[in-house]
Amino acid sequence: NAGVTQTPKFQVLKTGQSMTLQCAQDMNHEYMSWYRQDPGMGLRLIHYSVGAGITDQGEVPNGYNVSRSTTEDFPLRLLSAAPSQTSVYFCATRGQGYTGELFFGEGSRLTVL
Amino acid sequence: AQSVTQPDIHITVSEGASLELRCNYSYGATPYLFWYVQSPGQGLQLLLKYFSGDTLVQGIKGFEAEFKRSQSSFNLRKPSVHWSDAAEYFCAVGAQGAAGNKLTFGGGTRVLVKP
Repeated sequence: NAGVTQTPKFQVLKTGQSMTLQCAQDMNHEYMSWYRQDPGMGLRLIHYSVGAGITDQGEVPNGYNVSRSTTEDFPLRLLSAAPSQTSVYFCATRGQGYTGELFFGEGSRLTVL
Repeated sequence: AQSVTQPDIHITVSEGASLELRCNYSYGATPYLFWYVQSPGQGLQLLLKYFSGDTLVQGIKGFEAEFKRSQSSFNLRKPSVHWSDAAEYFCAVGAQGAAGNKLTFGGGTRVLVKP
C-alpha cells in the first residue's frame, strides 16, 4: 500500500520552463491538495480538490494550474517557472470529514534558476 | 480567515527534559486544531487533533496538547523528550464547511535535542 506518491523527488528548471509535479494516491480519498513549504512560512495551500472534476484555489494559487480527472491523480502544473517558485512541494490527501488526518507524500524539491 | 502563529522558531531541549511548543490561532468560530511533525526529508505526520470535547488531547509518541479557548492557544507538550523527537513541528487550524478544505499551518518550530 503506497499511500501518497509524488514524482519527481527533485527537479531543476530554468526560468520560463514548464513542468508537472505528479501526485498519485491509492487510498480512495476524495480530497487532495498541494502545499508548498518555504523556510519560516510553514506550509501554504496552493490548490485543492474535493473530487474528480472539482478544484479550487488555496492561499497561493498564482503560477500554478491543477486538474482532477480521476480520484487517484492530482497533478500540479507550472506553466512558466519563476525563481520564486523554488520550494518543496507536498501533496496531501484526506479521508472524509473536516477533522480527518492529512496524509502527505514525501515531497518534491524544485529549484528554478 | 483563519491564521496560526508559532512564536518559537527554534527550541533546544536536553534529552529527558520536558518540552512545550506554543501555538496561537485566530478563527471566529470553533476551530479544528492539529499538530503535525516533520522529520528531516519526510512529509508531515499527524501527532494529535482537537475538534470537540475534552480540551486535553493525547496523541502519538507521548505528546499531548491543551485547547484553551480564552487564550486562543493549543500548546503541545511532552514530559520527557527523546533524541528521536528532534524534528520540526507544525500547528494547523481548520474548520467546518468550506474553510475546512483550507487547512492553515503555522510557520513551524524546529526542535533540537541535546544529549
